[in-house]
Amino acid sequence: AQSVTQPDIHITVSEGASLELRCNYSYGATPYLFWYVQSPGQGLQLLLKYFSGDTLVQGIKGFEAEFKRSQSSFNLRKPSVHWSDAAEYFCAVGAGSQGNLIFGKGTKLSVKP
Amino acid sequence: DSGVTQTPKHLITATGQRVTLRCSPRSGDLSVYWYQQSLDQGLQFLIHYYNGEERAKGNILERFSAQQFPDLHSELNLSSLELGDSALYFCASSVHPDRGRETQYFGPGTRLLVL
Repeated sequence: AQSVTQPDIHITVSEGASLELRCNYSYGATPYLFWYVQSPGQGLQLLLKYFSGDTLVQGIKGFEAEFKRSQSSFNLRKPSVHWSDAAEYFCAVGAGSQGNLIFGKGTKLSVKP
Repeated sequence: DSGVTQTPKHLITATGQRVTLRCSPRSGDLSVYWYQQSLDQGLQFLIHYYNGEERAKGNILERFSAQQFPDLHSELNLSSLELGDSALYFCASSVHPDRGRETQYFGPGTRLLVL
């Protein structure tokens, strides 16, 4: 069955430090992968997506993610975190013919001043 | 602003009642998806409509139903509400379904509280 695992429920980093949020997926075919961010009281905003081609994808707000097929991973990174990045981050995989997204449980990011 | 609108923003009701959540997709989008976000289940796909027709069902209870109207707005109907139905309900839209690769744009959600 298709699934997405985000191993870290909550991560705290200092402002200016680098960030990596982990995502592992289980999917039989070529995965279509997404990262969304949810700020408190807000909807989900797309950060970036991977369909094919270059395995390092750039997104908005300075985020990037790397697709590693051998590790079934799609980790999200940012070289220098800003206080405004504090939010919850969701990794998702496109569920093929149904068209819907399958989400991980999310990782809550806190940023220390 | 994603261009997807949802009303109402908040809804408080009692057990056993029925409510209707409304979603207007982005201009030009034909697909509407409904998701439920709760603390214990996370983000769960409920149902997908494309151009007025039901396309796929996820973990949607029989007490829940949805429809998409000719103007492409969608409504999610929740009946015989239980405490466990308290959650944030999101609507998302995309141009059309494309094997899961189409970007979905999410609305701000409707927060439902069942007392």
